[in-house]
Amino acid sequence: QVQLVESGGGVVQPGGSLTLSCEVSGLTFRNHGMHWVRQAPGKGLEWVAFIRSDGSNQYYVDSVKGRFTISRDTPKNMLYLQMNSLRADDTAVYYCAKDKGVAYFDLWGRGTLVSVSS
Amino acid sequence: EIVLTQSPATLSLSPGERATLSCRASQSVSRTLAWYQQRPGQAPRLLIYDASSRATGIPDRFSGSGSGTDFTLTISSLEPEDSAVYYCQQSRDWPPYTFGPGTKVDI
Repeated sequence: QVQLVESGGGVVQPGGSLTLSCEVSGLTFRNHGMHWVRQAPGKGLEWVAFIRSDGSNQYYVDSVKGRFTISRDTPKNMLYLQMNSLRADDTAVYYCAKDKGVAYFDLWGRGTLVSVSS
Repeated sequence: EIVLTQSPATLSLSPGERATLSCRASQSVSRTLAWYQQRPGQAPRLLIYDASSRATGIPDRFSGSGSGTDFTLTISSLEPEDSAVYYCQQSRDWPPYTFGPGTKVDI
């Protein structure tokens, strides 16, 4: 059974930092690209970042470029999102999602809530 | 960036009825479009990819059609568990991958 389990969310002050983790099990992690997608409270979905299966390239939505870093530890089956210089508009549930064909998101975790507030 | 719009914003129907949801892209995305279902309090779930291919385990009452800029998700006979928000998403031109604002289906 495939599972994606996010952790690391919490309350952080504006300008602060947080690192999210996603533990993946039940599949051959090294074969799959991975994404982070977020959802602000009561709002729609926003793609945040993508890392290829071999970790060779990373891609970001403009609003997080230079502040967020996606990475992976393939031997540990772990995906990460390092978030710096956090702003109020980064408040959201952050989902990790498995890539399908460098195009879609076919498996999702339950998400972890990040709240940026003073 | 490709902008997706969805209509209607809300759809209220009865069990057994047919639901038709629309998604329009600001420029052609060919057939690189997906549909997701998000039930209250849950993570999204992939329903349809490549405009008309059903994802693993998705019931055949869900079907997708369209190409270019206009797409449709049809639920042929609504079940109570189909109450959810439905999002379209494009992958023709990325980054960024973009989503539509969603259509809420009330049953």
